Amino acid sequence: EDQVTQSPEALRLQEGESSSLNCSYTVSGLRGLFWYRQDPGKGPEFLFTLYSAGEEKEKERLKATLTKKESFLHITAPKPEDSATYLCAVQAGLESGGSNYKLTFGKGTLLTVNP
Amino acid sequence: SQTIHQWPATLVQPVGSPLSLECTVEGTSNPNLYWYRQAAGRGLQLLFYSVGIGQISSEVPQNLSASRPQDRQFILSSKKLLLSDSGFYLCAWSLGQTSSSTDTQYFGPGTRLTVL
Repeated sequence: EDQVTQSPEALRLQEGESSSLNCSYTVSGLRGLFWYRQDPGKGPEFLFTLYSAGEEKEKERLKATLTKKESFLHITAPKPEDSATYLCAVQAGLESGGSNYKLTFGKGTLLTVNP
Repeated sequence: SQTIHQWPATLVQPVGSPLSLECTVEGTSNPNLYWYRQAAGRGLQLLFYSVGIGQISSEVPQNLSASRPQDRQFILSSKKLLLSDSGFYLCAWSLGQTSSSTDTQYFGPGTRLTVL
């Protein structure tokens, strides 16, 4: 069974204090790893898709990286508006019995950035 | 550009009452559509997905059902709500690519359901 574990559950940073969020996964044949941002009471907002180990993607102050066992979301010089819950999800490859449709989500990391 | 709508935004219902949540997508044709539930302290759980009109697949057995009466409309229903049905319900869409590439899912604003 596919599993996604995110750590820490909550992270509090000062504005400008860089850090990383972790997403550890167990999946038979990774097809894609997704990062989403979710504000309170809102639906998740798509950030990145990573496909293979070594891949990196950036968007403003965020950079996502991928290894064979985990993904990191690095936040450089965060601002208060970066405060949100960050969700990680994986999709298994079709050759491993995965589905075009099913994403397995972690429980998320609640990031708070204080001014 | 594509837009996804959900309503109502919030709903408070008594146990045993019926439920109907609606989701519509604009700006794309024949999308894949999904219903998720997000309970406090838990990850998103896929409930149903649909690859076309009248085609519904269920991921989790429960007292909920889904229907897709039109190409870009997805409805989540229940005949009798349970306390355990409380949660944040999210609709999502994707382009429906069936090749080896992944198919990114985009989420709607959600419906907060409280069953009392």
